[in-house]
Amino acid sequence: GALVYQYPRRTICKSGTSMRMECQAVGFQATSVAWYRQSPQKTFELIALSTVNSAIKYEQNFTQEKFPISHPNLSFSSMTVLNAYLEDRGLYLCGARSGSNERLFFGHGTKLSVL
Amino acid sequence: GDSVTQTEGLVTLTEGLPVMLNCTYQTIYSNPFLFWYVQHLNESPRLLLKSFTDNKRTEHQGFHATLHKSSSSFHLQKSSAQLSDSALYYCALSHYQLIWGSGTKLIIKP
Repeated sequence: GALVYQYPRRTICKSGTSMRMECQAVGFQATSVAWYRQSPQKTFELIALSTVNSAIKYEQNFTQEKFPISHPNLSFSSMTVLNAYLEDRGLYLCGARSGSNERLFFGHGTKLSVL
Repeated sequence: GDSVTQTEGLVTLTEGLPVMLNCTYQTIYSNPFLFWYVQHLNESPRLLLKSFTDNKRTEHQGFHATLHKSSSSFHLQKSSAQLSDSALYYCALSHYQLIWGSGTKLIIKP
């Protein structure tokens, strides 16, 4: 079956440092990967949408300079949170799918805590 | 722009009563895909239902929803709530990306 592995599951970093999270798609081709952040208030924000062979599209309030994303092939994507601060806390989710109208498969999420 | 509206932030019900969570949407696309995702505590969201066919009921795990393009709605229903249904429910619209609703927290009490 189709799965998305996301790691690490939890991470704690010091304020001002950076952390990287990765997603691995298994059983399907992840032509597009969406990175979301769920705030402590439980709302979802789309950070960026990455489609293989296309430019990564960042949503308003999110930039490549802060959240660089790599999507080098149809099974892997990574995102780094640079210079993390308290406002970056939350659950980061990657969702991958093989087509624009296919279901999104989510990883387990990476819970980021910032000290 | 496209949007998804879930009017209830919190729904509290007694076990055994029917569930209805509202979802309406706006989109310029004539053939959107609509989804319901469920997120249990400390878990990531998982797909519950999806539909793209007008006026066709889709069912899974006791829940059902019907996409009505005439009213731009995709309400989630269940005939009898169970304690294990307590979770966050998100309605989402898809064309090239997912547009999420704000979510409805469903609490089922004994």
